Amino acid sequence: NAGVIQTPRHKVTGKGQEATLWCEPISGHSAVFWYRQTIVQGLEFLTYFRNQAPIDDSGMPKERFSAQMPNQSHSTLKIQSTQPQDSAVYLCASSLDLGGAETLYFGSGTRLTVL
Amino acid sequence: AQKVIQVWSTTSRQEGEKLTLDCSYKTSQVLYHLFWYKHLLSGEMVLLIRQMPSTIAIERSGRYSVVFQKSRKSISLVISTLQPDDSGKYFCALWEPQQGTGSKLSFGKGAKLTVSP
Repeated sequence: NAGVIQTPRHKVTGKGQEATLWCEPISGHSAVFWYRQTIVQGLEFLTYFRNQAPIDDSGMPKERFSAQMPNQSHSTLKIQSTQPQDSAVYLCASSLDLGGAETLYFGSGTRLTVL
Repeated sequence: AQKVIQVWSTTSRQEGEKLTLDCSYKTSQVLYHLFWYKHLLSGEMVLLIRQMPSTIAIERSGRYSVVFQKSRKSISLVISTLQPDDSGKYFCALWEPQQGTGSKLSFGKGAKLTVSP
């Protein structure tokens, strides 16, 4: 089991450019979560899919951020017109999501730097 | 409002010492779970301890244990006999069931630990 795979590990973009982050959850896991980690805010919840359907996107900034899960093997987080304040480590996690507090398994994260 | 509060943001210790990291949380739910994670330099978040409110107050996993005070809504992580490899960032997290939307983990801001040989 390779665990949750996130690519790329590091991404540097110029202000105003688009950034797409990829996540491959653990096979068989039906829930996928996206979190953002910054020094100031700590670990912030962004969005959550269950069986590929978006369940809760209450943590997503209303503009420029979008997340999709086109199939059970990957999810993407897209940031349009990136800004320096978007710089952070973006973490993806998956779980079995059987209705209880299943353990979340996190990927290694993508460090996004917006110049 | 912050649901999970970790007071210490950074701390340093010597090898062999014992460390307690405090965490308090806010919830109105009856069913919830608490977790302690370690964020590795590689970027991975590793689960250390899982605490359910219905179980005994202390759970152990190797050198990691917790002191759970349900009435005070407090869960402290205790790391005994610190080793340099314990260096990293430790996160406390609260899982609550969400009506109609499944579940969600809320994290504290983390505590960075440096252990010197």
